[in-house]
Amino acid sequence: DVKVTQSSRYLVKRTGEKVFLECVQDMDHENMFWYRQDPGLGLRLIYFSYDVKMKEKGDIPEGYSVSREKKERFSLILESASTNQTSMYLCASSSGIHEQYFGPGTRLTVT
Amino acid sequence: RKEVEQDPGPFNVPEGATVAFNCTYSNSASQSFFWYRQDCRKEPKLLMSVYSSGNEDGRFTAQLNRASQYISLLIRDSKLSDSATYLCVVNVNAGNNRKLIWGLGTSLAVNP
Repeated sequence: DVKVTQSSRYLVKRTGEKVFLECVQDMDHENMFWYRQDPGLGLRLIYFSYDVKMKEKGDIPEGYSVSREKKERFSLILESASTNQTSMYLCASSSGIHEQYFGPGTRLTVT
Repeated sequence: RKEVEQDPGPFNVPEGATVAFNCTYSNSASQSFFWYRQDCRKEPKLLMSVYSSGNEDGRFTAQLNRASQYISLLIRDSKLSDSATYLCVVNVNAGNNRKLIWGLGTSLAVNP
């Protein structure tokens, strides 16, 4: 079974803090994605990566950066957390553009 | 017009009912199509891909209508465990760009 794990299920941070969300997949997938999901707005792509050290902006990259130093790991960084970044963050991986396998999500609250 | 549109519901149906959802897409360059299922407070999981000829997996049938630019999902003999949000996903392949576009989902509640 494909497994995608995320470092935290719940996280509470203060405004202005730097936040790291880690994602690890164990199926040697070349593609990895970071989404956020908000009520009424659905899944929105933040960043994605098709290869190690490669990254591309998604639909809402502002306020975020990513890092992919190893194939299995894709990190999302909030340089200075703000309250409007309170959300559910979902990491996914895939081989090709087809089925995406998601991690359990991190519910981030910024106060 | 949104790129992928779904009726948000909720659809409330009794156990054993047949229920169908549609999803319309606006980009005629759309290449492939999927239905994902998301349970409350869980991550999305692939339910089925949608092929041009239509496909069936047990009680679930997916259809694609390219002329009218929509896909559908039919659930027969609904079970309580089918209660979830069903997300329509469209892969747009245009030139060097590949993109998955997610609908907002249709909520289904199957009642005893």
